[in-house]
Formats: sequence, structure tokens, C-alpha cells
Amino acid sequence: GAGVSQTPSNKVTEKGKYVELRCDPISGHTALYWYRQSLGQGPEFLIYFQGTGAADDSGLPNDRFFAVRPEGSVSTLKIQRTERGDSAVYLCASSLIAGGPTGELFFGEGSRLTVL
Amino acid sequence: TQLLEQSPQFLSIQEGENLTVYCNSSSVFSSLQWYRQEPGEGPVLLVTVVTGGEVKKLKRLTFQFGDARKDSSLHITAAQPGDTGLYLCAGEDWGIYGGSQGNLIFGKGTKLSVKP
Repeated sequence: GAGVSQTPSNKVTEKGKYVELRCDPISGHTALYWYRQSLGQGPEFLIYFQGTGAADDSGLPNDRFFAVRPEGSVSTLKIQRTERGDSAVYLCASSLIAGGPTGELFFGEGSRLTVL
Repeated sequence: TQLLEQSPQFLSIQEGENLTVYCNSSSVFSSLQWYRQEPGEGPVLLVTVVTGGEVKKLKRLTFQFGDARKDSSLHITAAQPGDTGLYLCAGEDWGIYGGSQGNLIFGKGTKLSVKP
């Protein structure tokens, strides 16, 4: 497709389980971002990739969260030992370039994670 | 910690009315973006402002960046039901890199409802 694709769109899991969320950015976009949006809040930065490497992972809340982008395209956000507080919409965005004046971020529709 | 405060939090108006929403911070930002988000979708970029005092117009929407680059406003003229959505401002500090590093700081948003 032409836009950023995120799967699954909805994920319900039990406390303590492992979850993977996938993001397929717009073809050719070198920068990829993960944000988390809780109910009634704005998106909160988690991690940013430039190519295959994590250029800034300062927003990851703790070591249960990890993200990869092995080939510089698709990215996976991994959450271990999920907690109820992890429930949120996880948004992925991509942009054509990074490192200069902010380019347009194109967001996917998000993956809604519910931890019971 | 840089924070963006948006006001009002909620706004319900009739079609044809004018409105202004605000985005304020005690910190200076290198750039500020406005997004609109509809339920179940990711935010969509409306505009980026970079220069203090800058005014940008997008049809019935007028965006202004404060002279000190700490605040911004969005004014909508003759609002229409299609303007309904969550309006988010997002700021970025380019710091020593002199360019985008992907770490956008979002406000909580203004939820606008325009009734026909």
C-alpha cells in the first residue's frame, strides 16, 4: 500500500505475555519512529530509527521494550512481560529523511494493545 | 523537561463559528508542527512552523508561531463539521545537531466538535 501499515490493528493479551507489533513504512523512507498514545493523551516518543540503527531510544520506558529494524525497512516493537499499564495505541511513523528541518511524518493507524 | 500545554482541552461549536486553540510552553522549540487526528487513525500533519513570528495559512486555517518560539496558535474561520477532530501540536528541539532528530514532543491535544 501507499501508506504506513501496522499490524495487528488490535491485540488483546494477558498480563505477563510477550507481544510483537509490526510496522511497514512507506517505501523509500529511511526514518522510522514509534510512539505510544494513551487514552486522552498526545503521542509519546519511544524510539527513532535512521536506517537499521536506533538513532534515539531514549523514550523506551524500560528494558521490557525493544525494537528492531534489521533491513532498514520493516520494524518490530517487542514488549516482554506485558503489564496493564502498557495498554495504549502504538503508533508508527516514517519520513523520507531525517537530520534536517523536520520533514513530514506519515503515521500509520496504530496498533491498539489491551493488556488484561 | 519540555512540555506543551494545549487549550482548551475540549471545544464544541456550531458550524460557521470561528475558533482559536493554543499551544504553550516555557521552553523554546526549533520547530512546531500541528496535526489533526481522527478516531482510529494516526495524526496527519497540517503545517510546520520554524521562524519566530511566522504565520501560515491553509485555506480556513491560520497558524502562528510566537516570536519567542515558545507558543503557537491555530485559528479556524467558519468552522465546518469536517473540521471535527483532535488537534495536536508537537515541538522539536534540534539541539546541538541543528536538525530533526525525530523526538517530537506532543501536547495532549484539543478535541474539537463542530455541529451542523
